[in-house]
This record gives sequence, C-alpha cells and structure tokens, in this order.
Amino acid sequence: AQSVTQPDIHITVSEGASLELRCNYSYGATPYLFWYVQSPGQGLQLLLKYFSGDTLVQGIKGFEAEFKRSQSSFNLRKPSVHWSDAAEYFCAVGGGGADGLTFGKGTHLIIQP
Amino acid sequence: DAGVIQSPRHEVTEMGQEVTLRCKPISGHNSLFWYRQTMMRGLELLIYFNNNVPIDDSGMPEDRFSAKMPNASFSTLKIQPSEPRDSAVYFCASSFKSAEKLFFGSGTQLSVL
Repeated sequence: AQSVTQPDIHITVSEGASLELRCNYSYGATPYLFWYVQSPGQGLQLLLKYFSGDTLVQGIKGFEAEFKRSQSSFNLRKPSVHWSDAAEYFCAVGGGGADGLTFGKGTHLIIQP
Repeated sequence: DAGVIQSPRHEVTEMGQEVTLRCKPISGHNSLFWYRQTMMRGLELLIYFNNNVPIDDSGMPEDRFSAKMPNASFSTLKIQPSEPRDSAVYFCASSFKSAEKLFFGSGTQLSVL
C-alpha cells in the first residue's frame, strides 16, 4: 500500500530565511509526486509535481522540490520565505492512473517576522 | 472557469439527520474525487469516479456513506444517518486525466452535534 510521511507537524521559520519541508513516500512502482498548499478555509492548490525526467522540479511561488529515489524522498524547498507562505503543506503520491492520491498529514508552516 | 464548486460551505446538523454534500467539477474534467479531512487522520480519499462511474469506494467508512455522480457536472456525497464522528471538512476535487493534477473545491465544513 502506498503511504506518505511528513515527519514535521509544525515548522517555524523567520521571514527571509530558507525553508525545507520533508516528505518520504512508500510506493511499489514509479511514483507520481506532488506538493499542495492549503491556506486557512481554502481547498488545496498544487505547488508542483514530479512525473519523470529532471529530479529537481520548479513550482509556483518560488518553490522547488527534489526527487531522490534512493531515499524515497521528495522534499520541498524555498530559498527565502515570505509571510504569505504561512499555510499547511501536503505531500502526495499516486500512480498517475485512474486513481486518487494518497496525502501525508501535512506540515503547518509558521512564519516569524 | 469558476473552479470546483462545493455546497454548502458550512453545514451544522444534529445526530441522526441526513446530510447531502454537493459538488460541481470543472467542465471537461472526467475524474472526480471525494476526500475527508480531519486533524487526526489528515486527508482521506473516500471515493473517486472516472467518467461518472465509481471506480473505488474502499475509502467510504461505512454504509451510512454513499456517493453518486448522475452526470459529468454533478456529484453528491450523502451521510444517513449522520453521527458526531462524521464532523470534518469534506473536499471534492476533479481532474482531467485522473490524478495528474487535482483541482480542489473550497470544502464543506460539516459539524454533527
């Protein structure tokens, strides 16, 4: 069965500092990997996705993520966070076929002024 | 496009009552997903449809839950009878080409008293 682990429930970062959110997955075949962001009271918005090819993928809002097959990881990074980045971040895995995604439990990002 | 539209945004009901949540997917999308979000369990896939046909309902917690998709532009999730443990945010998401990119609605906040 597929699963996603986001080991950090909360992360606090100062505005302007760099950010890395961790994600580890378990999947029996080549995974499709995603990062979504959820602002309070809103649905999830796709930040970026990895299907194949270059293991470093760029997303919206200055985010990037790197797929490391040997570590079963897909960590999200941003070089300099802004106060507006405060939100809940979800990593997800799927097979790309006619099925749904399995989500991690999320990491709550807090930005300190 | 207006995006995925869910109604109502908030629903407060008493235990034992029937609850119906509604979703209008993005026009042209052929896959529709219902997710439930709670603090304890995170985002759980309840059921998904492909071309209006239910593909996998293994995530539906009990027989009290049922979902239908009578046409490509409308789906319902019904809980009958509702229980306090059903309190959660229920999200509908749609996609073109299955799970390559999910577009989420703003969710329905359900409170069962």
